[in-house]
Amino acid sequence: GQQVMQIPQYQHVQEGEDFTTYCNSSTTLSNIQWYKQRPGGHPVFLIQLVKSGEVKKQKRLTFQFGEAKKNSSLHITATQTTDVGTYFCAGPGNQFYFGTGTSLTVIP
Amino acid sequence: NAGVTQTPKFRILKIGQSMTLQCTQDMNHNYMYWYRQDPGMGLKLIYYSVGAGITDKGEVPNGYNVSRSTTEDFPLRLELAAPSQTSVYFCASSFIYPGTGGEYQETQYFGPGTRLLVL
Repeated sequence: GQQVMQIPQYQHVQEGEDFTTYCNSSTTLSNIQWYKQRPGGHPVFLIQLVKSGEVKKQKRLTFQFGEAKKNSSLHITATQTTDVGTYFCAGPGNQFYFGTGTSLTVIP
Repeated sequence: NAGVTQTPKFRILKIGQSMTLQCTQDMNHNYMYWYRQDPGMGLKLIYYSVGAGITDKGEVPNGYNVSRSTTEDFPLRLELAAPSQTSVYFCASSFIYPGTGGEYQETQYFGPGTRLLVL
């Protein structure tokens, strides 16, 4: 079946450092979505990318969709303690698949 | 709007018991989903619905059943609880609409989750 993998699984950074998580799908995606889940919380939608090579920014967050529409990345510049949580990519195949997630810890 | 609500928040079941996890949304969304999330893992799709009266299996449907008699409600039924069903269950709803470039846009809104422990 379709697989959506993310690396790394865990990342610890000092506050102020940058962070990047990578998402790879075994099949081409029509779009990619990113969600954030705070510890003990529920996933919250961040953004959707649709076009090949698309780049979108939300303040310190930069999202990219690969040219082949099989991979994506989320980059956070100058992390803050409020960035703590697990970041998931997700996309539709014959169903809807979530990635394995990257758990971000920010050390003050 | 309350968004997506789920009840109960937490439940302990004995092996073999049954229960229904309730999910309600007040956003008039056509699409609804049930996911399970095991500790430290991603979300796995159990069942989904594209509208009232229509349901379909997701990636991990075994041991579960759903119904969608109204747009608002999408209950998930566990008939014979097993320890492997210990998990956090999230319900979500979404509205799919056309974007400016001809693509479709979707945002899933999640409920707060139900923690289920089967002993």
